Amino acid sequence: SYELTQPLSVSVAQGQTARIPCGGNNIGNKNVHWYQQKPGQAPILVIYRDSNRPSGIPERFSGSNSGKTATLTISRAQAGDEAAYYCQVWDTSLGVFGGGTKLTVL
Amino acid sequence: QVQLQESGPGLVKPSETLSLTCSVSGGSLSSYYWSWIRQSPGKGLEWIGYFYYSGSTNYNPSLKSRVTISVDSSKNQFSLNLRSVTAADTAVYYCARDAEKAMAVPGGLGVWGQGTTVTVSS
Repeated sequence: SYELTQPLSVSVAQGQTARIPCGGNNIGNKNVHWYQQKPGQAPILVIYRDSNRPSGIPERFSGSNSGKTATLTISRAQAGDEAAYYCQVWDTSLGVFGGGTKLTVL
Repeated sequence: QVQLQESGPGLVKPSETLSLTCSVSGGSLSSYYWSWIRQSPGKGLEWIGYFYYSGSTNYNPSLKSRVTISVDSSKNQFSLNLRSVTAADTAVYYCARDAEKAMAVPGGLGVWGQGTTVTVSS
């Protein structure tokens, strides 16, 4: 079965750029979606199909995908960005989530 | 604006069937993929399965033998049945809809319900 690998945690200083990687076999050939989840809340889609932002998501959020790694980039990180972030793909129409990365804004 | 609301028992006994319903308001079931996802306490997200408005379904292989997703278009609802539950099925259960309409394959999950907590215990 297909697997997605994320680091357990990433830290970033407020105002700096956070990059959250998501690794998978030939992930560059798949569409990657990213979710933000704050404690006690449902996930929110922040990036779909590698690099598209849903309406209402700040331009500070961007995504890229190539080779074996997809990356969620959060520019000018704010305290309100502190959350868990999950990458997700569809592998032969089966949903697969990464294990999640806890972003800490220092 | 479409909204999703999960409902069902918060407590289910081991070996019984967990049954949840997702009610859709502000939109119809047509032309989208609709998924169930769960999150065990302190853990990550796990995709359970989806149905497409045309009638097709697909399930997580690890749960496939116990899961059925069905739809009631007249009520604008879809449901999850998970049979023979154990404590490992204790989780917050979410229903969600794809962000994009009429896609050939599932995409990003753009609309989520608030989630409902289900505990499996005698």
